Amino acid sequence: DTGVSQDPRHKITKRGQNVTFRCDPISEHNRLYWYRQTLGQGPEFLTYFQNEAQLEKSRLLSDRFSAERPKGSFSTLEIQRTEQGDSAMYLCASSLPGQGSDTQYFGPGTRLTVL
Amino acid sequence: GQNIDQPTEMTATEGAIVQINCTYQTSGFNGLFWYQQHAGEAPTFLSYNVLDGLEEKGRFSSFLSRSKGYSYLLLKELQMKDSASYLCAVGGSNDYKLSFGAGTTVTVRA
Repeated sequence: DTGVSQDPRHKITKRGQNVTFRCDPISEHNRLYWYRQTLGQGPEFLTYFQNEAQLEKSRLLSDRFSAERPKGSFSTLEIQRTEQGDSAMYLCASSLPGQGSDTQYFGPGTRLTVL
Repeated sequence: GQNIDQPTEMTATEGAIVQINCTYQTSGFNGLFWYQQHAGEAPTFLSYNVLDGLEEKGRFSSFLSRSKGYSYLLLKELQMKDSASYLCAVGGSNDYKLSFGAGTTVTVRA
């Protein structure tokens, strides 16, 4: 079990550029979640997948954000036309529902800085 | 909507006990989770409660009262490495997404 991995760990970009992040969940975990965390706050839900289906997307999420999980394994999160307010830590988590709980295990995150 | 409250900061001495309280008002409930997060790192899972009562795991224990919308995380025999942020999170009833509090920063002093 290699845990949840994310790439890149850090990304610096200029305002207006597009960025894409990747998440590889724990193998066999069929649920995958994306969260965003800013300094001094808890993670905020963005979207989640069950297998390849995107089941929910936060209403707070701008349509500049899009996520995919094409084969039900890894996922990508793309932010188009980045803004300074997008600067945050983007966290991915995965889970395997069952046995009365759905514990989510987090990856190390991608820290985005928009200049 | 979700409203999850926990204290912002707590300080304690090495070897002591600290209790972090969490109160919640949520539209759905499918369990309460506690995570530990060291600065610049990802949250790591500590505990899960879905029924009322106390769950003990080594030096860490977590308590839940669903009727009061209340939980606490108890850290015993504090060590310097326990200095971190502790996040209280509630699982949704239909979708299992987590709603987090802002976190409690615990500082352990020698």
